[in-house]
Parts: sequence; structure tokens; C-alpha cells
Amino acid sequence: GAVVSQHPSRVICKSGTSVKIECRSLDFQATTMFWYRQFPKKSLMLMATSNEGSKATYEQGVEKDKFLINHASLTLSTLTVTSAHPEDSSFYICSARPTSGMSNEQFFGPGTRLTVL
Amino acid sequence: QKEVEQDPGPLSVPEGAIVSLNCTYSNSAFQYFMWYRQYSRKGPELLMYTYSSGNKEDGRFTAQVDKSSKYISLFIRDSQPSDSATYLCAMSFTGGGNKLTFGTGTQLKVEL
Repeated sequence: GAVVSQHPSRVICKSGTSVKIECRSLDFQATTMFWYRQFPKKSLMLMATSNEGSKATYEQGVEKDKFLINHASLTLSTLTVTSAHPEDSSFYICSARPTSGMSNEQFFGPGTRLTVL
Repeated sequence: QKEVEQDPGPLSVPEGAIVSLNCTYSNSAFQYFMWYRQYSRKGPELLMYTYSSGNKEDGRFTAQVDKSSKYISLFIRDSQPSDSATYLCAMSFTGGGNKLTFGTGTQLKVEL
């Protein structure tokens, strides 16, 4: 149980295009999902907290117009990187916190590697 | 000072060794403590979740929390080459927006 999927697993795009990444909780409902960014050999950096049915909360320094988050249902959150540039190339990981169960447990997706040319 | 300190390693041990991974933290509000394992180019996998001082055992893994010293540990017994990965400690507290604060991760290599 507690499986989180991400799609796509890898994407290469041209500079200036937008890329959408999906995060799904497959066997549980998640009122709250989180989006992280990870640079090589570095820890995870929280970008934003996504709450079902409401606006996402962004961490300091993260551009909300650049990284659009939509949490349309209890099992799906999407991150759209708008007008992507090479500096946006990174490993993006989502996590989901079950609506029921242990209060602060989070389960992570397998990540999406974005390369912007 | 970072909220959570973790030695990045790399840590190299022979197969069968007992591995000790540690994190210290400065925020006494942290209540929930987690250990994640992350293989290269994969998402973190939850290994252990604890919310009180003391020990919790699951197979070859034991998580230890000492809130008085603000110190947590993960022990791996009979380490295997498949345990080679980066181990991340993470912690959170009620009222913290359910956010996790991560350590930098310790890279572990178990050699044959």
C-alpha cells in the first residue's frame, strides 16, 4: 500500500515550453501533497504544499507563476513548469500525506527528471 | 546552524557490518522522526517512522530517538550490497504545516 506515482518519469523539452508533471496517490486519498526539487547529491528542497481544493502554499523564493500547482482531487496534484529554462532542469519529486492514518507520514513518488535544452 | 545536521558521508562498510546513521537537530518542537532510503535517480522510500523517544525495530532496521539529546539514529544489521543508497532523516511537528525538514542525507556503500 501507500504507492505514489509520477508521470512522466523523464522529460526533455526546449527552452520556453511548459511541462506538466502529475503526481497520483494510487491506493489512498491525500488531502495534502508536496512538491520538492532535488539537485544532484543534494537533499530535497520543498517548493510548495498542495492542498486539495485550495491554493498551494509556496516556500520562500519559489515563483508561484513559474511553478503552477493544481490539486484537483484527493488523488491527483499537478506541477506545471511554465516557460521552462535550462536552470529549471532538475529532479522533481512529489509526496503525499494520507488523509487518514499517522499524522505526518509522507510517501514519495519516484520523481521526474526534467531536462530543458 | 542548520535545523537538522547529518553527515553526508560517503560511508563505506563491508557486507554483514552493522551500520549506524545519525542525525542531530536543534528544534525541540520536532515530534515525528522518519528515515528514508533513496536509490540513485529514484524517489525516497519510507523506512521507519517514530514519534517518541526509544527504539523501534523492523527487520534489520532499528530506529532510535533521544529527544533529550536531540539525536536520532538508524541501525542496519547484517548490511547487504542492496542497502547501498542515500539515507535521509526527516522530522516534523504538529503545527508545522506537515512539512518535513530533511537532513542532507548520508551516502552508504556496502561492499562485497
